[in-house]
Amino acid sequence: DTGVSQNPRHKITKRGQNVTFRCDPISEHNRLYWYRQTLGQGPEFLTYFQNEAQLEKSRLLSDRFSAERPKGSFSTLEIQRTEQGDSAMYLCASSGVGGGSTDTQYFGPGTRLTVL
Amino acid sequence: GQNIDQPTEMTATEGAIVQINCTYQTSGFNGLFWYQQHAGEAPTFLSYNVLDGLEEKGRFSSFLSRSKGYSYLLLKELQMKDSASYLCAVSPRRAGNNRKLIWGLGTSLAVNP
Repeated sequence: DTGVSQNPRHKITKRGQNVTFRCDPISEHNRLYWYRQTLGQGPEFLTYFQNEAQLEKSRLLSDRFSAERPKGSFSTLEIQRTEQGDSAMYLCASSGVGGGSTDTQYFGPGTRLTVL
Repeated sequence: GQNIDQPTEMTATEGAIVQINCTYQTSGFNGLFWYQQHAGEAPTFLSYNVLDGLEEKGRFSSFLSRSKGYSYLLLKELQMKDSASYLCAVSPRRAGNNRKLIWGLGTSLAVNP
């Protein structure tokens, strides 16, 4: 098991450009989460998938953000028309089924986005 | 509302013991997690508590009191590499399959020589 992977690890873009990040969860995990984190803050929930179904999306998330998990495996997070305020670490996590300790979320290394 | 409180910063000395507290108010309770996060890295799982009491795992222990909405993470024999942010997260009870966690802002621990 190679754990959760994310690509790219770093992304620098100009304001107004679109960016897409990819997350590959732990293979047997059916739950996948996207978070955003800025310096000195805890992870901020963005969205959550169980298999291919997107079950919740943060109300704080603007329409510029969209996520997909088409086959219930990897997921992509797209940000359209990026703004400087989007600069943050974008974290992906996955967890298994069954409740209890299987709710433990395992994080990927994150994608650090810098919007110039 | 749902809320998790933990101190913003703590300082301790190498070799000492430090206790990081976490209090929570959530709609129901399915479990409490502690994560460690080094600067610029992703959070890594430390411990999970669902029943009252102390869970020991090497130099790290985690305690839970469900009636008081309180947990602490105890770090013994502190090492310089323990300098990190420690995040408390709670799984509230929800209908259906939503397993979203409620996260604290993290406690930044500095270990000094």
